[in-house]
Amino acid sequence: AQSVAQPEDQVNVAEGNPLTVKCTYSVSGNPYLFWYVQYPNRGLQFLLKYITGDNLVKGSYGFEAEFNKSQTSFHLKKPSALVSDSALYFCARGIKAAGNKLTFGGGTRVLVKP
Amino acid sequence: DAMVIQNPRYQVTQFGKPVTLSCSQTLNHNVMYWYQQKSSQAPKLLFHYYDKDFNNEADTPDNFQSRRPNTSFCFLDIRSPGLGDAAMYLCATSTRESMSTDTQYFGPGTRLTVL
Repeated sequence: AQSVAQPEDQVNVAEGNPLTVKCTYSVSGNPYLFWYVQYPNRGLQFLLKYITGDNLVKGSYGFEAEFNKSQTSFHLKKPSALVSDSALYFCARGIKAAGNKLTFGGGTRVLVKP
Repeated sequence: DAMVIQNPRYQVTQFGKPVTLSCSQTLNHNVMYWYQQKSSQAPKLLFHYYDKDFNNEADTPDNFQSRRPNTSFCFLDIRSPGLGDAAMYLCATSTRESMSTDTQYFGPGTRLTVL
């Protein structure tokens, strides 16, 4: 079973509206979860991560994510989307193995329209 | 600012002609990673170094090699590039203070074109 999944290939939202990018994870193992964003022709930028503690994690650029154990989800949210938030978003999971490997979801492209 | 730098940003090579991509970091991190990313897909880990210890992924082709001469630099060598090796190559670093939970910091990537 896939360790982390992003069920939506693309999300379209109007500027100023709330943005949600979905991520679910498989139950086995510790849920160390990350969100990264990738702008065109750039590397990945770290947004936030959940390791332990408060289920609501606040990150860069006004993004936050909520760890929901009962639903095995870690959805990324932003209350008011900007056109500049248009990018490719990856959910990832840390794996307890040599080298701190990340397993990435398939990615969700976000398009914010003016 | 501390950062991960990749050179060149764009590299064009010919089919079968060896090519080297470079990565440097000013973060003084122990671990350096190389990923291959095709067509906005998820990045695929090729290998990583923990200090000088090299760790190859089981499905990384022999065509891909890596060198890490010191803490700051890491190189990706593609011995005989094929058309299927055209991709974005991402370098990343982490401290490895705690396995599985460390943030990885990515460079801007090198886009490789194979003619």
